[in-house]
Amino acid sequence: DAKTTQPTSMDCAEGRAANLPCNHSTISGNEYVYWYRQIHSQGPQYIIHGLKNNETNEMASLIITEDRKSSTLILPHATLRDTAVYYCIVRVGGGGSNYKLTFGKGTLLTVNP
Amino acid sequence: GAVVSQHPSWVICKSGTSVKIECRSLDFQATTMFWYRQFPKQSLMLMATSNEGSKATYEQGVEKDKFLINHASLTLSTLTVTSAHPEDSSFYICSARGGLSGEKLFFGSGTQLSVL
Repeated sequence: DAKTTQPTSMDCAEGRAANLPCNHSTISGNEYVYWYRQIHSQGPQYIIHGLKNNETNEMASLIITEDRKSSTLILPHATLRDTAVYYCIVRVGGGGSNYKLTFGKGTLLTVNP
Repeated sequence: GAVVSQHPSWVICKSGTSVKIECRSLDFQATTMFWYRQFPKQSLMLMATSNEGSKATYEQGVEKDKFLINHASLTLSTLTVTSAHPEDSSFYICSARGGLSGEKLFFGSGTQLSVL
């Protein structure tokens, strides 16, 4: 699976949008971009995933550049409870038998009051 | 979303004893479950992939005789840390594939193991 690069940490004011970038310049055509987050001492939580089109759900929006070499996760109105480590992962999509998620170091997002 | 239950949340044991951690998919069938380990301030490291009814596949460097994985049903996988030592102290997290086409991974809440 392709490697990803994320900033180590970011800060965001409560109520503002949090934009978390991820670079995946070696992504292959059949690899999806997944985002998970991990609140301290808990298991990771699925946020969103996409292939090439922008995606939106109740938690966040995912913007993928046209060349697919980078993406941005957007939390539209960050709250204190969004403070967590956010992981950007790329992998071959679907439910294939080789499914595996490899976590990098992620971005620690701190939402400040 | 799908729920994965992991038990216990934390466990303290003496060196040399064995500890069993359970992972259950509560509202879906999980043919594949994964076990991760996480040391403080580090990322998750995949230990093994567990397929229902077959032997687990271990990642390089993970001792299969020390970390016994059983996936006897579509809703339950167990990880047994045998003859635990202080260096095995870690946060262990299980996960299961879910979603319409198995494209999502749902995680348990983790188990903090402390070996004295």
